[in-house]
Amino acid sequence: RKEVEQDPGPFNVPEGATVAFNCTYSNSASQSFFWYRQDCRKEPKLLMSVYSSGNEDGRFTAQLNRASQYISLLIRDSKLSDSATYLCVVNMASGTYKYIFGTGTRLKVLA
Amino acid sequence: DADVTQTPRNRITKTGKRIMLECSQTKGHDRMYWYRQDPGLGLRLIYYSFDVKDINKGEISDGYSVSRQAQAKFSLSLESAIPNQTALYFCASQAGGGDTQYFGPGTRLTVL
Repeated sequence: RKEVEQDPGPFNVPEGATVAFNCTYSNSASQSFFWYRQDCRKEPKLLMSVYSSGNEDGRFTAQLNRASQYISLLIRDSKLSDSATYLCVVNMASGTYKYIFGTGTRLKVLA
Repeated sequence: DADVTQTPRNRITKTGKRIMLECSQTKGHDRMYWYRQDPGLGLRLIYYSFDVKDINKGEISDGYSVSRQAQAKFSLSLESAIPNQTALYFCASQAGGGDTQYFGPGTRLTVL
């Protein structure tokens, strides 16, 4: 089993739709969780950290479910500019180098 | 100006050649990382450094070496490039105690 798994997609959704991605992780001792966004052939950029209580940033909501070992990202009112690959990142132990990157979920928002 | 820069941005080389990829950051971060990205695979850690005197191997360090010339500079070398080192290479920096990694724009390396 991979340490971090994501559905590669692509998820093709119309503008204005709501879309959700999940990411599962295998190590129950994992400490911190992130969603990064990567545009084609560009560098990953932090979209948001994921907190135990869940957190929201505008149209984006992230949730953590420790019992089931997954994190989720919800995008509401999708924009064309949201088209990108979304990377799930898990830090195995706080303060260490051990960041595990998922392979990413590709989102295409269609006009 | 970008906080993390990488040079070159693109490089085509031949098998057996020595290649150096350079990374600089202006964020004053202690920690720096080198990753490679291949299609269908997540970013994989090659080497990391938590300060100038600290160099550590990541999960795929074979065939690579690094140098931390200063807090701001972290170079990756391929001593004798081989075709399966063809990939997109990213450098990243991170504040000590922080969680966010800031990535450079990447170097696309092709080994023929």
